[in-house]
Amino acid sequence: AQSVTQPDIHITVSEGASLELRCNYSYGATPYLFWYVQSPGQGLQLLLKYFSGDTLVQGIKGFEAEFKRSQSSFNLRKPSVHWSDAAEYFCAVGPVNDYKLSFGAGTTVTVRA
Amino acid sequence: DTAVSQTPKYLVTQMGNDKSIKCEQNLGHDTMYWYKQDSKKFLKIMFSYNNKELIINETVPNRFSPKSPDKAHLNLHINSLELGDSAVYFCASSHVDEQFFGPGTRLTVL
Repeated sequence: AQSVTQPDIHITVSEGASLELRCNYSYGATPYLFWYVQSPGQGLQLLLKYFSGDTLVQGIKGFEAEFKRSQSSFNLRKPSVHWSDAAEYFCAVGPVNDYKLSFGAGTTVTVRA
Repeated sequence: DTAVSQTPKYLVTQMGNDKSIKCEQNLGHDTMYWYKQDSKKFLKIMFSYNNKELIINETVPNRFSPKSPDKAHLNLHINSLELGDSAVYFCASSHVDEQFFGPGTRLTVL
């Protein structure tokens, strides 16, 4: 069975500081990995995804994530956060050629001035 | 141009009522989904349809019945609403891998 763990429920970061959100997955084979962002009152928007190839993936809004097979991790990073990055972030894992995504419980990011 | 739209955005109703949520996508995708997001923001898939055929049916009470009249629409009908059904329901669609989500419908059962 596939599963995702996001160890940090809530992270507070100062504007301009760096951000790293942790994601660990459990899956028997090579998974598809995703990071989504949910702004207050909005639906989910895809930030980036990993299927294969280069383990450092660039996404929208200045985000990047690194796939580490040995650690079963897919951590999300941003070098300098903006107040508009305050949102809920979800990591998700899905099997290749299947439709079923499993989401982590999410990490709430608060940005202070 | 809205990619995945849901109506209504908010739904407040009494226990025992029957209600429907509609979803439409204009992306030409073959696959559509319903997710439930609970009060702790945990997101769980409920159903998935591919070309109008049900392909994922998670452990969901049979009071919930999805209907897909065509590839662009996937509606969710809920009978005999219960307090525990209060949540945000998201519709999504996909072509191969990336899922596009609608804005959500916040259902409150009183």
